[in-house]
Amino acid sequence: AQSVTQPDIHITVSEGASLELRCNYSYGATPYLFWYVQSPGQGLQLLLKYFSGDTLVQGIKGFEAEFKRSQSSFNLRKPSVHWSDAAEYFCAVGAPGTYKYIFGTGTRLKVLA
Amino acid sequence: DTGVSQDPRHKITKRGQNVTFRCDPISEHNRLYWYRQTLGQGPEFLTYFQNEAQLEKSRLLSDRFSAERPKGSFSTLEIQRTEQGDSAMYLCASSPGGAGSPQHFGDGTRLSIL
Repeated sequence: AQSVTQPDIHITVSEGASLELRCNYSYGATPYLFWYVQSPGQGLQLLLKYFSGDTLVQGIKGFEAEFKRSQSSFNLRKPSVHWSDAAEYFCAVGAPGTYKYIFGTGTRLKVLA
Repeated sequence: DTGVSQDPRHKITKRGQNVTFRCDPISEHNRLYWYRQTLGQGPEFLTYFQNEAQLEKSRLLSDRFSAERPKGSFSTLEIQRTEQGDSAMYLCASSPGGAGSPQHFGDGTRLSIL
C-alpha cells in the first residue's frame, strides 16, 4: 500500500534562512509526487509536481524539490524563506492508474522575523 | 480561471441533522474529488467522479454519506444523521483528464457538530 511520511511536524526558521522539508514515500514504482501548501482556513495550493524526467523540479514561490529514487524521497527546498511562507506543507503521492492522492500528515512552518 | 468553489464555507449543526455541501469545479475539469481533513492531519480521500460517474469510494464513506455529480458539473456531498466524528474540513478538488493531472483544491467547507 502507498504511504507518505513527513517526519517533521513543526519546523521553525528565521526569515532569510534556507528551508528543507522532508518527504518519504512507500510505493513499488515511481509515483506521481506533489507538494501543496495550506494557509489557515484555506484549501491547498499546488507548489510543484514530479512525474518523470529531470529529478529537480521548480515550482511557484521560489520552491524546488528533488526526487531521489534510491531514498524514496521528495524533499522540498527554498534558499531564502519569507515571512509569508509560514503555512502548512503537505507532500502527496498519486499512483499511476489511480486518481486519488495519499497525503502526508503535513509540516507546519513557522518563520521568525 | 475562477478556481474550485465550495459552499458553504462553514456549517454548524446539531448532532443527528443532515447537511449538504456543494462543490463547483473548474469548468473544463471532468474529474472531481472529495477529501476530508481533520485537525493535524492531511486530507483523506473520500470519493472520485469522472464526469457524472462515481468511480471510486473510500471505506471512510459510510452509508450515511452520499455524493452526486448530476450532469457532470457541480457535485454535492450529503451527510445524514451527523455524528460528532463528522466534524472536519471537507475539501473538493478537480482536475482535467490525463494521467497525473494535478488536482486543484477549493477552500473547503468546515463542519462543526454541536
